[in-house]
Amino acid sequence: QVQLQESGPGLVKPSETLSLTCAVSGYSISSGYYWGWLRQPPGKGLEWIGSINHSGNTYYNPSLKSRVTISVDTSKNQFSLRLTSVTAADTAVYYCARRVPAPGRYSDYWGQGTLVTVSS
Amino acid sequence: QSALTQPPSASGSPGQSVTISCTGTSSDVGGYNSVSWYQQYPGKAPKVMIYEVTKRPSGVPDRFSGSKSGNTASLTVSGLQAEDEADYYCSSHAGSNNPVVFGGGTKLTVL
Repeated sequence: QVQLQESGPGLVKPSETLSLTCAVSGYSISSGYYWGWLRQPPGKGLEWIGSINHSGNTYYNPSLKSRVTISVDTSKNQFSLRLTSVTAADTAVYYCARRVPAPGRYSDYWGQGTLVTVSS
Repeated sequence: QSALTQPPSASGSPGQSVTISCTGTSSDVGGYNSVSWYQQYPGKAPKVMIYEVTKRPSGVPDRFSGSKSGNTASLTVSGLQAEDEADYYCSSHAGSNNPVVFGGGTKLTVL
């Protein structure tokens, strides 16, 4: 059974960098698929942040691209998110998920989510 | 503002059918068959209910079905049950520069 687990600070100060890691178990990242991050501000809808594959190929949401970096560590079977210059608008529950490639292009396994609050 | 447009709410009585729409453009919903639907309970991660417009993952009841016409995709829930009360989000591929777009979500209430 594929499982994903997010980890990282729950509180980040404005203008600082948000960093999260997603540990994957039950499946080797090196075997395929894309691995991505999504977020959901409190009481609002889902927003895709970006995805990466085992080779390090990345795709980012154009609205966040200038502030986002997603990286993968196949030796630890995990991938990470960095979001720079955060503001209160970046407060959200952050999810990591496995993404099925074309033609499906959907997320089949999700982490439980972690709330990150941006506040001084 | 979300890229795809969904009604904010929908409702139906137990046993009835409800259809939720998801309207995009020819650059997303209308241009690809990579439309998916997710169910989300409060405080929980989303769960895929439909992918590739009409396909159901293993374990999803056949009461859930999907379709598409032009730039609008639809999710139909037949034989409504209390457990279907949740938020539903549509998603579509939107090209290599913006691979994933979502609708704003629809809160389904079972009366």
